[in-house]
Amino acid sequence: EAQVTQNPRYLITVTGKKLTVTCSQNMNHEYMSWYRQDPGLGLRQIYYSMNVEVTDKGDVPEGYKVSRKEKRNFPLILESPSPNQTSLYFCASSLSDSGTGGEQYFGPGTRLTVT
Amino acid sequence: AQKVTQAQTEISVVEKEDVTLDCVYETRDTTYYLFWYKQPPSGELVFLIRRNSFDEQNEISGRYSWNFQKSTSSFNFTITASQVVDSAVYFCALSEGYDMRFGAGTRLTVKP
Repeated sequence: EAQVTQNPRYLITVTGKKLTVTCSQNMNHEYMSWYRQDPGLGLRQIYYSMNVEVTDKGDVPEGYKVSRKEKRNFPLILESPSPNQTSLYFCASSLSDSGTGGEQYFGPGTRLTVT
Repeated sequence: AQKVTQAQTEISVVEKEDVTLDCVYETRDTTYYLFWYKQPPSGELVFLIRRNSFDEQNEISGRYSWNFQKSTSSFNFTITASQVVDSAVYFCALSEGYDMRFGAGTRLTVKP
């Protein structure tokens, strides 16, 4: 089954404790992206990757890191989480390698709470 | 800079009513893509439609239809004869190149 998986689905952590949210897709998509969803703000793009070893900042990259060492995986790293990073996070992937003209497939979301 | 505005924060209708969700966008590019996604109460994001900037044809899919007008920078979504299962948050999105910008979403509640 074609899908995007994220782990963990729920995470409660404390300020400053490094964490990684994993994202994996099995569709051989070149493009992957991370978003955060906050009430009243919709989804905001954090980082995206056009292909292996190629990443770029979205609208809200501060406090996040990403890497794309393999085509299928695109982990999101919070090296020193803060309460303002409490949010619902979505990973997405797309077949299009010339931009996001392709339909983006979204993972199920990761709800992160930073206390 | 690109921007997507969904001015309707919440809409409530009674089943079988028609409802239109508005989406207005801003972009300086001539090549771009517009999308609608649905987020039901279960939380997943469901792709509904994609339009490129060169295709202004309206589209109908069952009870759903979309009206793309470049002259007014709008990409509105109409649900005909709404049903309770249409209750969800609907997002309009704009893509230029590799980045993607979503609107704040419209929460639609369809009451029986």
